[in-house]
Amino acid sequence: AAGVIQSPRHLIKEKRETATLKCYPIPRHDTVYWYQQGPGQDPQFLISFYEKMQSDKGSIPDRFSAQQFSDYHSELNMSSLELGDSALYFCASRKRGQGIHEQYFGPGTRLTVT
Amino acid sequence: TQLLEQSPQFLSIQEGENLTVYCNSSSVFSSLQWYRQEPGEGPVLLVTVVTGGEVKKLKRLTFQFGDARKDSSLHITAAQPGDTGLYLCAGAQRLAAGNNRKLIWGLGTSLAVNP
Repeated sequence: AAGVIQSPRHLIKEKRETATLKCYPIPRHDTVYWYQQGPGQDPQFLISFYEKMQSDKGSIPDRFSAQQFSDYHSELNMSSLELGDSALYFCASRKRGQGIHEQYFGPGTRLTVT
Repeated sequence: TQLLEQSPQFLSIQEGENLTVYCNSSSVFSSLQWYRQEPGEGPVLLVTVVTGGEVKKLKRLTFQFGDARKDSSLHITAAQPGDTGLYLCAGAQRLAAGNNRKLIWGLGTSLAVNP
């Protein structure tokens, strides 16, 4: 079965640079979630999109923005990167309206800011 | 304040032993998921429990949802080294407005099963 695809898997950037992470949800899934996970921490919810509209906002810094496109893939844009932004970034997807809230995660992008 | 308390945080046991991981909250969840995460990988959904008192089995893993839908447990029988990983519980909670829900996460239980 097709899973959530994220690219790139690894990314190294310097402070103050920008980064763009991409997420391709499971086919026919209409909702995308972005999470940030630091070492030894649970996933911290950043933002979610449903049918290309922002549906919920979590602890996403103002330096970050995201959007969902017509093909349902999503991109997380990160600017003015800081050392503290180094983390694993996960994307999850689901099909809304199925009754049970189940999110399916991608393999993640490991971002290292030096 | 962590809304979903998961315990224990770390667990190191010998192959063949049994273990239980707990996930507790004062909040009610519409459903609760258990995930297993390998280092550097995304969480993989193991099971979703929906009904209070529900018990689900996945081979040697038994998941239970509390009657009041505020807590859950994961019991592993005869643990094997392949069970090593981070186990996360996440409860689905309705947002204030609309029919949308979000996941509330526990901090995870890092399990090491030694041969």
